Amino acid sequence: DAGVIQSPRHEVTEMGQEVTLRCKPISGHDYLFWYRQTMMRGLELLIYFNNNVPIDDSGMPEDRFSAKMPNASFSTLKIQPSEPRDSAVYFCASSPHTAGVGSPLHFGNGTRLTVT
Amino acid sequence: EDKVVQSPLSLVVHEGDTVTLNCSYEVTNFRSLLWYKQEKKAPTFLFMLTSSGIEKKSGRLSSILDKKELFSILNITATQTGDSAVYLCAVKRVGGTSYGKLTFGQGTILTVHP
Repeated sequence: DAGVIQSPRHEVTEMGQEVTLRCKPISGHDYLFWYRQTMMRGLELLIYFNNNVPIDDSGMPEDRFSAKMPNASFSTLKIQPSEPRDSAVYFCASSPHTAGVGSPLHFGNGTRLTVT
Repeated sequence: EDKVVQSPLSLVVHEGDTVTLNCSYEVTNFRSLLWYKQEKKAPTFLFMLTSSGIEKKSGRLSSILDKKELFSILNITATQTGDSAVYLCAVKRVGGTSYGKLTFGQGTILTVHP
């Protein structure tokens, strides 16, 4: 089990540029989550998918952010145009669907984004 | 809106000490409470609690949930420097579009000195 794989590990870009973050969930997991972590706000859920369909995107800060999941093994989070306040660590996580109390999320190692 | 509050926000102890981390929550249609440990990278799962009064234990770590008072504690006995990390508490709701969604607290930064 390779775990959740995110790329790139680090991204440094200039304000106004487009940024694309990538995620490969654990095979067989039905749910995929994108979280953002900052010192000020902690871990915040941006969006999550179930069976490749976006279920709740209420955490997406604004129209500059978009996420897609074209198939069960790949998702992207795009920021266009990027701003310095988008600097954060972006985590992707996945979990299987289980009846009852649910399953814990398995996190990737994150992408550290710096927008200058 | 779901709310998770952890305390203290940071804690510095010496090896061998016992620590108690607190997590209180307000959530509609509570399903479960989870504890994660985050070192330099991804949060790693520690415990999931769903029922009051049943202690979950793993080595020197243990946790318990009180659904009436809406809180949980995470205990670490005989702390070691390797326990230094951010400890995150999160809650999960039942069903609907919130299924699977975790709301996290701010975390407690634990530093264990030799």
